[in-house]
Amino acid sequence: DADVTQTPRNRITKTGKRIMLECSQTKGHDRMYWYRQDPGLGLRLIYYSFDVKDINKGEISDGYSVSRQAQAKFSLSLESAIPNQTALYFCATSDWGHYNEQFFGPGTRLTVL
Amino acid sequence: GQNIDQPTEMTATEGAIVQINCTYQTSGFNGLFWYQQHAGEAPTFLSYNVLDGLEEKGRFSSFLSRSKGYSYLLLKELQMKDSASYLCAVMDSNYQLIWGAGTKLIIKP
Repeated sequence: DADVTQTPRNRITKTGKRIMLECSQTKGHDRMYWYRQDPGLGLRLIYYSFDVKDINKGEISDGYSVSRQAQAKFSLSLESAIPNQTALYFCATSDWGHYNEQFFGPGTRLTVL
Repeated sequence: GQNIDQPTEMTATEGAIVQINCTYQTSGFNGLFWYQQHAGEAPTFLSYNVLDGLEEKGRFSSFLSRSKGYSYLLLKELQMKDSASYLCAVMDSNYQLIWGAGTKLIIKP
């Protein structure tokens, strides 16, 4: 079984709809991250969480929100989706004790029409 | 501002050697990572450098010069499966990863 899972893997939605992307991990890591990836651009950090009670904005948090329901679960929400949020979204986890190497989920391809 | 630069695309021949360069300017430095990403898939960890010098791991090696803000990833004995994007990322003073846009490596027979 995969250590970091994301659901859904693909989603097509319309402008203005609320969307939630979910991430679960079995690695026992405290740190979790949400990134988006667009063609020609590097991975950009949306939000990150160092433990259940810790949520931090990343480089591009506007238009997004997150929830850390448990150590193993970190959800990303788009309250009112817009077309420029069309992208590939990755969840990642890391363990402070292992030089913070990040382990990625398989990604969610989101299309906003 | 923080910046990671790497070539957009490179082409090499199966069996050959290729070097992918990465230069960086970041707020602090807590290590440099190389990841491999096949099209449509998740990035996977290749190497980590925090001290100057060369780290070798099988066919892949990574070099770091902190004074020059420079790293390279060296791939030897190229195989068709090495066709992928290679992402350079630097951990800054806040222990956040700053990512380059990636280098797409095309391997030709």
